[in-house]
Amino acid sequence: DAKTTQPTSMDCAEGRAANLPCNHSTISGNEYVYWYRQIHSQGPQYIIHGLKNNETNEMASLIITEDRKSSTLILPHATLRDTAVYYCIVRVPSAGGTSYGKLTFGQGTILTVHP
Amino acid sequence: DTEVTQTPKHLVMGMTNKKSLKCEQHMGHRAMYWYKQKAKKPPELMFVYSYEKLSINESVPSRFSPECPNSSLLNLHLHALQPEDSALYLCASSIGTGVDYGYTFGSGTRLTVV
Repeated sequence: DAKTTQPTSMDCAEGRAANLPCNHSTISGNEYVYWYRQIHSQGPQYIIHGLKNNETNEMASLIITEDRKSSTLILPHATLRDTAVYYCIVRVPSAGGTSYGKLTFGQGTILTVHP
Repeated sequence: DTEVTQTPKHLVMGMTNKKSLKCEQHMGHRAMYWYKQKAKKPPELMFVYSYEKLSINESVPSRFSPECPNSSLLNLHLHALQPEDSALYLCASSIGTGVDYGYTFGSGTRLTVV
């Protein structure tokens, strides 16, 4: 799987947009970008994923650059409940490969939303 | 039902004890996973079950023994653990093991080995 690089921590004011960057410069053409978050003392929660097009759901938007070497997760109106560790994961899709079926977490970004 | 339920939520066990962690889902998911998470670290994959068969073992010591009795249930049997095995054990499930499938995680069992 391609390696991802995320800032260790970020702050955001409540009500403002939180933009969390992720660098995945070694991503290959058929790898997807996934975002999960983990609120303290809970299990990780799936947020969104994409291949090359921008994606939006009820939780967030995912913007993937044209060269796919980086992406940004956008929480449009951050609340205190969005304080969590956010993980950007790039995943190998090919069946039968050694990474097939694996979801491997990196260090993530600690997002703190302030009042 | 859109949840993964893990029991117990907390477990304290001695190094000579045998205990089991239980994970259950009723979403019709056919892939289930065990992860281990130490404090302030990301979750680490331990085992993957696909259609009730073990498909990935990430070189986990034999004192951890997974079992998948049916498509809804996943157990992790623990025996002769060490204090360094103390961690949050997370179970997850997904529709399959393919790339398009997001995982649903349980809240975990916090294990302390004394």
